[in-house]
Amino acid sequence: GESVGLHLPTLSVQEGDNSIINCAYSNSASDYFIWYKQESGKGPQFIIDIRSNMDKRQGQRVTVLLNKTVKHLSLQIAATQPGDSAVYFCADYRDDKIIFGKGTRLHILP
Amino acid sequence: SAVISQKPSRDICQRGTSLTIQCQVDSQVTMMFWYRQQPGQSLTLIATANQGSEATYESGFVIDKFPISRPNLTFSTLTVSNMSPEDSSIYLCSVHYLGTENTEAFFGQGTRLTVV
Repeated sequence: GESVGLHLPTLSVQEGDNSIINCAYSNSASDYFIWYKQESGKGPQFIIDIRSNMDKRQGQRVTVLLNKTVKHLSLQIAATQPGDSAVYFCADYRDDKIIFGKGTRLHILP
Repeated sequence: SAVISQKPSRDICQRGTSLTIQCQVDSQVTMMFWYRQQPGQSLTLIATANQGSEATYESGFVIDKFPISRPNLTFSTLTVSNMSPEDSSIYLCSVHYLGTENTEAFFGQGTRLTVV
């Protein structure tokens, strides 16, 4: 069954502000957690991942935080741009498989 | 990284017929994965295709409905059999890359299937 899920289906953010997309997971045995971005008509695109033994990882304009105590994962996007408009999925990797959560649509307000 | 080519990119099919989707990867991979993405929803894993053995199906998916072939390390097919309108969806193939820094999945562009 599904082991990851998202708190909010839609998030609207002012251009230039920071975006925070949240995700809860249930399976403590996951090896990695991964964030994907999917634009309309395209396949998912890798953003960033984090190993289960880490609590923070930074990329270019993105930061992923992992709180194993409450089984919570978040993706922070700094200085949100119009090109960030997409659906964002969290996913977990275990048993050689990647299992996706429900997705959050990010709207950028001008 | 990996480049994945999927075809057809879209099709409209009559109910009761079958469609075979092809997936070609530009490098050899041990496992290939097939996902389904229904309209407005997330990706659901259908099965894992290993070369030289039968595919492993996830709960809710069966071989009779979604037969998979994996004749070599760069190619796989997924057939959607005896289609009904409920099978209308995007089907994506994927390969995974486990690196020292990242765990990453690469996806084809998907096959958009409409069953009428």
